[in-house]
Amino acid sequence: AQSVSQHNHHVILSEAASLELGCNYSYGGTVNLFWYVQYPGQHLQLLLKYFSGDPLVKGIKGFEAEFIKSKFSFNLRKPSVQWSDTAEYFCAVRDGGSQGNLIFGKGTKLSVKP
Amino acid sequence: DSGVTQTPKHLITATGQRVTLRCSPRSGDLSVYWYQQSLDQGLQFLIHYYNGEERAKGNILERFSAQQFPDLHSELNLSSLELGDSALYFCASSSPLILFGNEQFFGPGTRLTVL
Repeated sequence: AQSVSQHNHHVILSEAASLELGCNYSYGGTVNLFWYVQYPGQHLQLLLKYFSGDPLVKGIKGFEAEFIKSKFSFNLRKPSVQWSDTAEYFCAVRDGGSQGNLIFGKGTKLSVKP
Repeated sequence: DSGVTQTPKHLITATGQRVTLRCSPRSGDLSVYWYQQSLDQGLQFLIHYYNGEERAKGNILERFSAQQFPDLHSELNLSSLELGDSALYFCASSSPLILFGNEQFFGPGTRLTVL
Protein backbone atom coordinates (compact mmCIF):
# COMPACT_ATOMS: atom_id res chain seq x y z
CA ALA A 1 0.00 0.00 0.00
CA GLN A 2 1.04 3.54 -0.63
CA SER A 3 2.42 5.72 2.09
CA VAL A 4 3.46 9.36 2.19
CA SER A 5 6.09 10.93 4.38
CA GLN A 6 6.57 14.59 5.05
CA HIS A 7 9.94 15.38 6.49
CA ASN A 8 9.21 18.49 8.46
CA HIS A 9 6.71 18.60 11.28
CA HIS A 10 6.94 22.33 11.94
CA VAL A 11 8.68 25.00 9.88
CA ILE A 12 9.11 28.55 11.08
CA LEU A 13 10.08 31.23 8.57
CA SER A 14 10.19 34.98 8.36
CA GLU A 15 8.21 36.79 5.71
CA ALA A 16 9.92 36.87 2.30
CA ALA A 17 11.94 33.73 3.05
CA SER A 18 11.82 30.88 0.56
CA LEU A 19 9.95 27.71 1.38
CA GLU A 20 10.50 24.10 0.47
CA LEU A 21 8.48 21.32 2.09
CA GLY A 22 9.52 17.77 1.43
CA CYS A 23 7.21 14.95 0.46
CA ASN A 24 8.06 11.38 -0.50
CA TYR A 25 5.72 8.62 -1.53
CA SER A 26 6.45 4.94 -1.37
CA TYR A 27 5.19 3.33 -4.52
CA GLY A 28 6.38 3.54 -8.09
CA GLY A 29 4.41 3.52 -11.28
CA THR A 30 1.73 6.00 -12.25
CA VAL A 31 0.84 8.31 -9.40
CA ASN A 32 -1.48 11.23 -8.85
CA LEU A 33 -0.01 13.64 -6.31
CA PHE A 34 -1.55 16.54 -4.45
CA TRP A 35 -0.71 19.28 -2.01
CA TYR A 36 -3.52 20.55 0.18
CA VAL A 37 -3.47 23.46 2.60
CA GLN A 38 -5.51 23.80 5.78
CA TYR A 39 -5.71 27.30 7.22
CA PRO A 40 -6.50 27.52 10.94
CA GLY A 41 -10.05 26.39 11.56
CA GLN A 42 -10.78 25.76 7.91
CA HIS A 43 -11.21 22.82 5.60
CA LEU A 44 -8.63 21.41 3.23
CA GLN A 45 -8.10 23.30 0.00
CA LEU A 46 -6.21 22.08 -3.03
CA LEU A 47 -3.00 23.98 -3.76
CA LEU A 48 -1.87 21.97 -6.76
CA LYS A 49 -1.89 18.53 -8.31
CA TYR A 50 0.23 16.40 -10.58
CA PHE A 51 -1.25 13.77 -12.87
CA SER A 52 1.13 13.62 -15.82
CA GLY A 53 3.17 15.78 -18.16
CA ASP A 54 5.38 18.65 -17.02
CA PRO A 55 6.88 17.61 -13.68
CA LEU A 56 6.94 21.23 -12.53
CA VAL A 57 3.43 22.05 -11.44
CA LYS A 58 2.19 25.52 -10.64
CA GLY A 59 -0.62 26.01 -8.18
CA ILE A 60 -2.52 28.78 -6.53
CA LYS A 61 -1.06 31.58 -4.38
CA GLY A 62 2.40 31.32 -5.97
CA PHE A 63 3.08 27.74 -4.91
CA GLU A 64 4.73 25.18 -7.16
CA ALA A 65 5.86 21.60 -6.80
CA GLU A 66 8.30 19.41 -8.64
CA PHE A 67 7.65 15.75 -9.30
CA ILE A 68 10.90 13.77 -9.38
CA LYS A 69 10.03 10.19 -10.26
CA SER A 70 13.51 8.79 -9.56
CA LYS A 71 13.37 10.14 -6.03
CA PHE A 72 9.68 9.39 -5.38
CA SER A 73 9.40 13.02 -4.34
CA PHE A 74 6.94 15.86 -4.80
CA ASN A 75 8.33 18.83 -2.92
CA LEU A 76 6.36 22.03 -2.47
CA ARG A 77 8.06 25.38 -2.98
CA LYS A 78 7.33 29.05 -2.77
CA PRO A 79 9.99 31.68 -3.44
CA SER A 80 8.74 34.23 -0.91
CA VAL A 81 6.29 33.39 1.87
CA GLN A 82 3.81 35.77 3.45
CA TRP A 83 2.29 35.83 6.91
CA SER A 84 -0.98 34.67 5.33
CA ASP A 85 0.70 31.40 4.31
CA THR A 86 0.66 30.31 7.94
CA ALA A 87 -1.21 27.01 7.75
CA GLU A 88 -0.77 23.27 7.73
CA TYR A 89 0.28 21.67 4.47
CA PHE A 90 -0.53 18.11 3.48
CA CYS A 91 0.96 16.05 0.72
CA ALA A 92 -1.24 13.27 -0.63
CA VAL A 93 -1.14 10.49 -3.17
CA ARG A 94 -4.15 8.88 -4.76
CA ASP A 95 -4.50 5.19 -3.99
CA GLY A 96 -5.88 3.16 -6.85
CA GLY A 97 -7.66 4.45 -9.94
CA SER A 98 -9.15 7.78 -10.84
CA GLN A 99 -11.74 7.57 -8.09
CA GLY A 100 -9.32 6.27 -5.49
CA ASN A 101 -9.05 7.70 -2.01
CA LEU A 102 -6.19 9.93 -0.89
CA ILE A 103 -3.40 8.86 1.40
CA PHE A 104 -2.07 11.82 3.31
CA GLY A 105 1.23 12.60 4.93
CA LYS A 106 1.25 13.71 8.56
CA GLY A 107 1.31 17.35 7.53
CA THR A 108 3.76 20.20 8.00
CA LYS A 109 2.78 23.16 10.08
CA LEU A 110 4.16 26.39 8.63
CA SER A 111 4.42 29.46 10.81
CA VAL A 112 5.43 32.69 9.10
CA LYS A 113 6.64 35.50 11.32
CA PRO A 114 5.68 38.99 10.16
CA ASP B 1 -16.66 27.38 -0.22
CA SER B 2 -16.02 23.99 -1.81
CA GLY B 3 -19.68 23.16 -2.39
CA VAL B 4 -19.51 20.19 -0.02
CA THR B 5 -21.65 20.60 3.07
CA GLN B 6 -21.42 18.78 6.36
CA THR B 7 -23.67 18.82 9.38
CA PRO B 8 -23.44 19.28 12.24
CA LYS B 9 -20.40 21.49 12.61
CA HIS B 10 -19.79 20.44 16.19
CA LEU B 11 -20.99 17.45 18.15
CA ILE B 12 -20.41 16.77 21.82
CA THR B 13 -21.52 13.46 23.21
CA ALA B 14 -20.71 10.87 25.86
CA THR B 15 -18.90 7.58 25.68
CA GLY B 16 -21.08 4.70 24.58
CA GLN B 17 -23.38 6.88 22.52
CA ARG B 18 -24.13 6.79 18.80
CA VAL B 19 -23.99 9.73 16.40
CA THR B 20 -24.66 10.34 12.73
CA LEU B 21 -22.65 12.74 10.60
CA ARG B 22 -24.09 13.97 7.34
CA CYS B 23 -22.41 15.01 4.11
CA SER B 24 -23.84 16.45 0.90
CA PRO B 25 -21.48 16.30 -2.07
CA ARG B 26 -21.11 18.95 -4.75
CA SER B 27 -23.76 18.89 -7.40
CA GLY B 28 -22.92 16.23 -9.97
CA ASP B 29 -20.29 14.46 -7.88
CA LEU B 30 -20.94 10.75 -7.44
CA SER B 31 -18.09 9.91 -5.08
CA VAL B 32 -18.10 10.61 -1.37
CA TYR B 33 -15.08 9.92 0.80
CA TRP B 34 -14.88 10.07 4.58
CA TYR B 35 -11.68 10.97 6.41
CA GLN B 36 -10.83 11.25 10.08
CA GLN B 37 -8.32 13.83 11.29
CA SER B 38 -6.86 13.41 14.76
CA LEU B 39 -3.73 14.75 16.41
CA ASP B 40 -2.06 11.37 16.78
CA GLN B 41 -3.16 9.65 13.56
CA GLY B 42 -3.27 12.60 11.18
CA LEU B 43 -5.65 12.42 8.22
CA GLN B 44 -6.86 8.89 7.64
CA PHE B 45 -9.16 7.56 4.97
CA LEU B 46 -12.21 5.76 6.32
CA ILE B 47 -14.50 4.79 3.46
CA HIS B 48 -15.48 5.64 -0.12
CA TYR B 49 -18.88 5.44 -1.76
CA TYR B 50 -19.57 5.83 -5.45
CA ASN B 51 -23.12 6.31 -6.64
CA GLY B 52 -24.56 4.46 -3.68
CA GLU B 53 -22.11 1.60 -3.58
CA GLU B 54 -19.22 1.06 -1.23
CA ARG B 55 -15.98 1.19 -3.21
CA ALA B 56 -13.16 1.06 -0.71
CA LYS B 57 -12.56 0.81 3.00
CA GLY B 58 -9.65 2.22 4.88
CA ASN B 59 -8.94 2.27 8.59
CA ILE B 60 -12.59 2.22 9.57
CA LEU B 61 -13.53 0.60 12.84
CA GLU B 62 -16.30 -2.00 12.95
CA ARG B 63 -18.24 0.36 15.22
CA PHE B 64 -18.40 2.80 12.32
CA SER B 65 -20.54 2.43 9.24
CA ALA B 66 -21.59 4.61 6.35
CA GLN B 67 -24.04 4.71 3.52
CA GLN B 68 -24.79 6.81 0.48
CA PHE B 69 -28.40 7.49 -0.37
CA PRO B 70 -30.10 7.79 -3.80
CA ASP B 71 -29.83 11.59 -3.63
CA LEU B 72 -26.07 11.00 -3.15
CA HIS B 73 -25.78 12.45 0.32
CA SER B 74 -23.88 10.26 2.73
CA GLU B 75 -24.05 9.52 6.43
CA LEU B 76 -21.32 8.24 8.69
CA ASN B 77 -22.61 6.42 11.75
CA LEU B 78 -20.36 6.11 14.78
CA SER B 79 -21.53 3.88 17.61
CA SER B 80 -20.32 2.79 21.05
CA LEU B 81 -18.24 5.93 21.06
CA GLU B 82 -14.94 6.03 22.91
CA LEU B 83 -12.81 8.95 24.00
CA GLY B 84 -10.38 8.16 21.21
CA ASP B 85 -13.03 8.77 18.58
CA SER B 86 -12.83 12.49 19.26
CA ALA B 87 -11.61 13.97 16.00
CA LEU B 88 -12.49 16.08 13.01
CA TYR B 89 -14.40 14.13 10.41
CA PHE B 90 -14.20 15.37 6.85
CA CYS B 91 -16.05 14.27 3.82
CA ALA B 92 -14.92 14.95 0.30
CA SER B 93 -16.52 14.52 -3.08
CA SER B 94 -15.20 14.21 -6.59
CA SER B 95 -16.55 14.30 -10.10
CA PRO B 96 -16.75 11.10 -12.16
CA LEU B 97 -15.41 13.00 -15.14
CA ILE B 98 -11.70 12.64 -15.85
CA LEU B 99 -11.93 16.07 -17.44
CA PHE B 100 -12.06 17.62 -14.00
CA GLY B 101 -9.03 15.70 -12.81
CA ASN B 102 -10.89 13.81 -10.12
CA GLU B 103 -9.88 16.41 -7.58
CA GLN B 104 -11.41 15.83 -4.19
CA PHE B 105 -13.27 18.77 -2.69
CA PHE B 106 -13.46 18.79 1.07
CA GLY B 107 -16.27 19.88 3.31
CA PRO B 108 -15.79 22.02 6.44
CA GLY B 109 -15.77 18.99 8.71
CA THR B 110 -17.63 17.89 11.82
CA ARG B 111 -15.75 18.20 15.07
CA LEU B 112 -16.73 15.33 17.35
CA THR B 113 -15.93 15.52 21.03
CA VAL B 114 -16.57 12.44 23.14
CA LEU B 115 -16.62 13.10 26.89
